[in-house]
Amino acid sequence: AQSVTQLDSQVPVFEEAPVELRCNYSSSVSVYLFWYVQYPNQGLQLLLKYLSGSTLVKGINGFEAEFNKSQTSFHLRKPSVHISDTAEYFCAVRKTSYDKVIFGPGTSLSVIP
Amino acid sequence: DAGVTQSPTHLIKTRGQQVTLRCSPKSGHDTVSWYQQALGQGPQFIFQYYEEEERQRGNFPDRFSGHQFPNYSSELNVNALLLGDSALYLCASSDSGTHPYEQYFGPGTRLTVT
Repeated sequence: AQSVTQLDSQVPVFEEAPVELRCNYSSSVSVYLFWYVQYPNQGLQLLLKYLSGSTLVKGINGFEAEFNKSQTSFHLRKPSVHISDTAEYFCAVRKTSYDKVIFGPGTSLSVIP
Repeated sequence: DAGVTQSPTHLIKTRGQQVTLRCSPKSGHDTVSWYQQALGQGPQFIFQYYEEEERQRGNFPDRFSGHQFPNYSSELNVNALLLGDSALYLCASSDSGTHPYEQYFGPGTRLTVT
């Protein structure tokens, strides 16, 4: 079975500073990896996904993530955060295109003015 | 183009009652998945519907059941509500043909059981 660990439950960062949100997964088979963002009182929005190919994936809103198979990690990064990036971020995995999505517990990003 | 819509937005029920939540997928999407998100946690997969049948199910009791209609819309039914069923229920849709990996989420239904 797959599982997802997000090591930091809360990450405070000053505006315009860089940020990295960590995600590690465990699986006995190859998986597809995703990052979602959830703004207060809203549903989830897909930020980016890794299916295959280049291990550096670029997403919306200036976010990017790097897949590291040997370390089973998929960390999310942004070089300069904005107040509007304050939200909950979820890392997720799935085995196939129709398999269930397994979410991590989430990381709350707070951008400080 | 309307995205995924869910109704109602909020719902308050009493323990032991039954509830039905509704979801309309994004236009052109034929697959619907339901998730339960407890406060402060990540979403947990309940089940997925495709071609009007339950294709996959997570670790939820039989009190949770669903249905998919010919127009791809879906319902989630929960019987004999427990206090622990209080959560945000999210519906997600995807297109099995062109972009099966991309799930679009609705805003959710906030269920409170008292």
